[in-house]
Amino acid sequence: GAGVSQSPSNKVTEKGKDVELRCDPISGHTALYWYRQSLGQGLEFLIYFQGNSAPDKSGLPSDRFSAERTGGSVSTLTIQRTQQEDSAVYLCASSLMFRSYEQYFGPGTRLTVT
Amino acid sequence: DQQVKQNSPSLSVQEGRISILNCDYTNSMFDYFLWYKKYPAEGPTFLISISSIKDKNEDGRFTVFLNKSAKHLSLHIVPSQPGDSAVYFCAASALRSGGSNYKLTFGKGTLLTVNP
Repeated sequence: GAGVSQSPSNKVTEKGKDVELRCDPISGHTALYWYRQSLGQGLEFLIYFQGNSAPDKSGLPSDRFSAERTGGSVSTLTIQRTQQEDSAVYLCASSLMFRSYEQYFGPGTRLTVT
Repeated sequence: DQQVKQNSPSLSVQEGRISILNCDYTNSMFDYFLWYKKYPAEGPTFLISISSIKDKNEDGRFTVFLNKSAKHLSLHIVPSQPGDSAVYFCAASALRSGGSNYKLTFGKGTLLTVNP
């Protein structure tokens, strides 16, 4: 079946602009996760959705970052007033509700802020 | 404060030999460990995992060893193949310890190059 998809695959934006990153999880996966990988770093947890609600937003770096999920499926990560330090690969993953240890990742969106 | 550490940024081995990738962790709440493999421009893909109630898990050419007292795990690939060349991430979860059991904590990864 189809895996996790993300769009766009690459995004170049100017500092100060807003960006939206999209994630389509695997059908039937109620849990969805956003991670970020900065250059030379491991994956950093950002936010976790169970259905449409986000019980843990603790990883969001600042209030410029927000995410939503509608219909228990597609999720959008929004970064407002982008800064150069936001440049990273943003990865989305999904899993079945009680199998969070089996997270399936999308290919990521590479964000470059110039 | 890095809770999962992969101290070798890179490793190079000859085809047919054994590759050993290492990972150390500091958080005693971690009770489930995973290895992910990542090719360029792709997302990480799950490779193998181990629960803290075990000290070894084997799947074909891949074996993960867990030493709880040392808070250390390793991934052995034998024999290594050129197609194994990728970045390998170690990840940990506090699955049964309560708290954030959905969150994976990753190391920085080790780039494995298998030379023909």
